[in-house]
Amino acid sequence: EVQLLESGGGLVQPGGSLRLSCAASGFTFSSYAMSWVRQAPGKGLEWVSAISGSGGSTYYADSVKGRFTISRDNSKNTLYLQMNSLRAEDTAVYYCAKGQNDYGDYVTPLDYWGQGTLVTVSS
Amino acid sequence: EIVLTQSPGTLSLSPGERATLSCRASQSVSSSYLAWYQQKPGQAPRLLIYGASSRATGIPDRFSGSGSGTDFTLTISRLEPEDFAVYYCQQYGSSQPFGQGTKVEIK
Repeated sequence: EVQLLESGGGLVQPGGSLRLSCAASGFTFSSYAMSWVRQAPGKGLEWVSAISGSGGSTYYADSVKGRFTISRDNSKNTLYLQMNSLRAEDTAVYYCAKGQNDYGDYVTPLDYWGQGTLVTVSS
Repeated sequence: EIVLTQSPGTLSLSPGERATLSCRASQSVSSSYLAWYQQKPGQAPRLLIYGASSRATGIPDRFSGSGSGTDFTLTISRLEPEDFAVYYCQQYGSSQPFGQGTKVEIK
């Protein structure tokens, strides 16, 4: 059974940093691209970032480019999102999601999602 | 960058009725890299449709997707009580934007 468990969310001041983790199980982690998608309170979904199965290619939404860094440790089956220079508009539930296709490319729909971790940026 | 616009914003229907949701892209979506997701309150999204028209694993056949280029449609043939939710389209090409969502509510 595929499981994705996010952690690391919390309250942080504007300008601060936070690192999210997503522990994956139930599939061959290194074979699949992974993504982060966020949802501000009461709002829609916003794609944030994606990483190929090998970790060699990364992609970002313009809204987070230069501030957020996605990475993965395939030996630990864990996905990360390092968030720096946080702003109030980054407040959201952050979901990690698994790519559907098993060739590691990030051009893939997202077939499994974690339950999310809440990040609140406020002074 | 592709922008996806969903319509209507809210659809008020009764169980048993047919729901037709639209997703329009600002430019052509390559190779029909278009997906639909369902989200219920307090839950993570669930993949329904990918490649514009292929149902994901375990999705009932009352859900169907169609379209190409810039115009895509999600159809729910007969609404069941559990289908009342918010639906999002997503383009999963070079950028991966979502539409703003369509809420299907009980009339």
